Amino acid sequence: GDSVTQMEGPVTLSEEACLTINCTYTATGYPSLFWYVQYPGEGLQLLLKATKADDKGSNKGFEATYRKETTSFHLEKGSVQVSDSAVYFCALSVGGGGNKLTFGTGTQLKVEL
Amino acid sequence: GAVVSQHPSRVICKSGTSVKIECRSLDFQATTMFWYRQFPKQSLMLMATSNEGSKATYEQGVEKDKFLINHASLTLSTLTVTSAHPEDSSFYICSARTASLGEAFFGQGTRLTVV
Repeated sequence: GDSVTQMEGPVTLSEEACLTINCTYTATGYPSLFWYVQYPGEGLQLLLKATKADDKGSNKGFEATYRKETTSFHLEKGSVQVSDSAVYFCALSVGGGGNKLTFGTGTQLKVEL
Repeated sequence: GAVVSQHPSRVICKSGTSVKIECRSLDFQATTMFWYRQFPKQSLMLMATSNEGSKATYEQGVEKDKFLINHASLTLSTLTVTSAHPEDSSFYICSARTASLGEAFFGQGTRLTVV
């Protein structure tokens, strides 16, 4: 079946540090890939997505590239801020984001001054 | 973006009682709603998919008589945990979609604690 594996947290960084959260997947079909973010006390929000190989999703300074050859979708940001502190979920969907999603376990990011 | 409201955000109940969680799409009509459950340090696991006006489709291993899902209108779905037990304590999250939006939007989640 479909599955998503992402690095365990928490990840603690200083402000302006570089961020990489690894995500790999297995899927029976050709999936779309997503990163969701959950800020404290809020619901999950779509951060970025990519629907085909070599696509790069980007938003709010975050980016991730759909790598079919390595079945990966790593999340990166060049300079994190305290306001980026949240839990990040990697997810996939076969048939698009409106269909059911398979999530990773989530990675908590803490950014300190 | 579209807004999905989930209520309550936290609930504590006694073993043997039932708890109802509501999921509302506030500014769009949700033809499909999804209910997920998350255990500590684990993924969000899909429990069931419900389409307005029809019976929910449950994932393998989810007891449909224990987790009752109703999607009676295009803006409201409810999840009722019947005869709750401590092992039902978890974080429950709903999401809602409609074809025109192309993606699903999530509620804030409900932390259920059964004592």
